[in-house]
Amino acid sequence: GAVVSQHPSRVICKSGTSVKIECRSLDFQATTMFWYRQFPKQSLMLMATSNEGSKATYEQGVEKDKFLINHASLTLSTLTVTSAHPEDSSFYICSVRNGNTIYFGEGSWLTVV
Amino acid sequence: AQTVTQSQPEMSVQEAETVTLSCTYDTSESDYYLFWYKQPPSRQMILVIRQEAYKQQNATENRFSVNFQKAAKSFSLKISDSQLGDAAMYFCAYRSSFTSGTYKYIFGTGTRLKVLA
Repeated sequence: GAVVSQHPSRVICKSGTSVKIECRSLDFQATTMFWYRQFPKQSLMLMATSNEGSKATYEQGVEKDKFLINHASLTLSTLTVTSAHPEDSSFYICSVRNGNTIYFGEGSWLTVV
Repeated sequence: AQTVTQSQPEMSVQEAETVTLSCTYDTSESDYYLFWYKQPPSRQMILVIRQEAYKQQNATENRFSVNFQKAAKSFSLKISDSQLGDAAMYFCAYRSSFTSGTYKYIFGTGTRLKVLA
């Protein structure tokens, strides 16, 4: 069964609104989760590393005020896209580290209209 | 900074035949991990095979094997007896060793594999 769950799998939001994507670790506690973004026909690009109980570490070029990450518990990290614009439309994937293994979520399609 | 390069945007293979997907990488680190991930249309990332850089022996998982050339920084994936279900996007990925304190993955641009019946 799934080890990492993402919700929603698909979401459509209006331009200017905010949308939240959840990443849950189902089988273990995760102090570290990762958020990736994948544009159509492109590779996965790491956006940020989410650390439980502390601030996320963002990759260069990723706007931390636009992509808010909250890792409030050992099983849940959330990515909030604030004031979404059509160019934010993309596939967002989270991954969770358990020891020496990384597990990926099923991903979330975001469409901003 | 580390980089991963996949020079084949698309490959085709006849069912039951063998295909090799190429991947090169650049790093100054001596200890690291390399991975091949499969991404079918569902978009779920599926680990195909992993290689630890300190191990000279090439990793093998059933029909999947790698040719790891550390000096050349090359990490190709060979799929034997290709099946229709192997059709997907394949990503090569690099990760530093845990001793570096980072668990970040760096992905290549992917190779789309088509399997012809």
